[in-house]
Amino acid sequence: GAGVSQSPRYKVAKRGQDVALRCDPISGHVSLFWYQQALGQGPEFLTYFQNEAQLDKSGLPSDRFFAERPEGSVSTLKIQRTQQEDSAVYLCASSFAAATYEQYFGPGTRLTVT
Amino acid sequence: AQSVSQHNHHVILSEAASLELGCNYSYGGTVNLFWYVQYPGQHLQLLLKYFSGDPLVKGIKGFEAEFIKSKFSFNLRKPSVQWSDTAEYFCAVRAGSSNTGKLIFGQGTTLQVKP
Repeated sequence: GAGVSQSPRYKVAKRGQDVALRCDPISGHVSLFWYQQALGQGPEFLTYFQNEAQLDKSGLPSDRFFAERPEGSVSTLKIQRTQQEDSAVYLCASSFAAATYEQYFGPGTRLTVT
Repeated sequence: AQSVSQHNHHVILSEAASLELGCNYSYGGTVNLFWYVQYPGQHLQLLLKYFSGDPLVKGIKGFEAEFIKSKFSFNLRKPSVQWSDTAEYFCAVRAGSSNTGKLIFGQGTTLQVKP
């Protein structure tokens, strides 16, 4: 079956531009996570959705970062007024349920801010 | 705050050598533990996981890991590595009481296996 998909795979943005990154989770997966992975580091948690409800956004680094999942399926991570420090790979993961099931990761979107 | 430490950042082995990658975490409560692997050009995949029960868990491709609660460790092992094991390996922890399921990752270990 299809895994988690993300688009675009690569995004180059000029500093100050807004970007939107899309995640299509595995069908039927209730839980959806966004992580940020800087070069040479492990993924860092950004935010978590259960269906359409954003239950944890403690990892979002600033108010320039915004995520939504309006119908409980596809999710979008938006970054406003991008800065160079936003350059990273943004990973999306989904799971059947948050606390007791494994997370399946997508291929990521590599964002480069110039 | 929870944290995960992977001691080896870059490991180089010859084929057939044995592998052990260290992982220590800091969290006082019940934890779920994971090892993920990322092969070149591919996405993160789960190697193995520990939730409860037998502290020695076996995963895919001959990998295993042992949870030692007293040492807050979850080291990954493989008796004989292959060239195809070249990849980046991440240890991750999830608080057992977590209702959000967020994973805390270590910074990763790059494994290079020479043929």
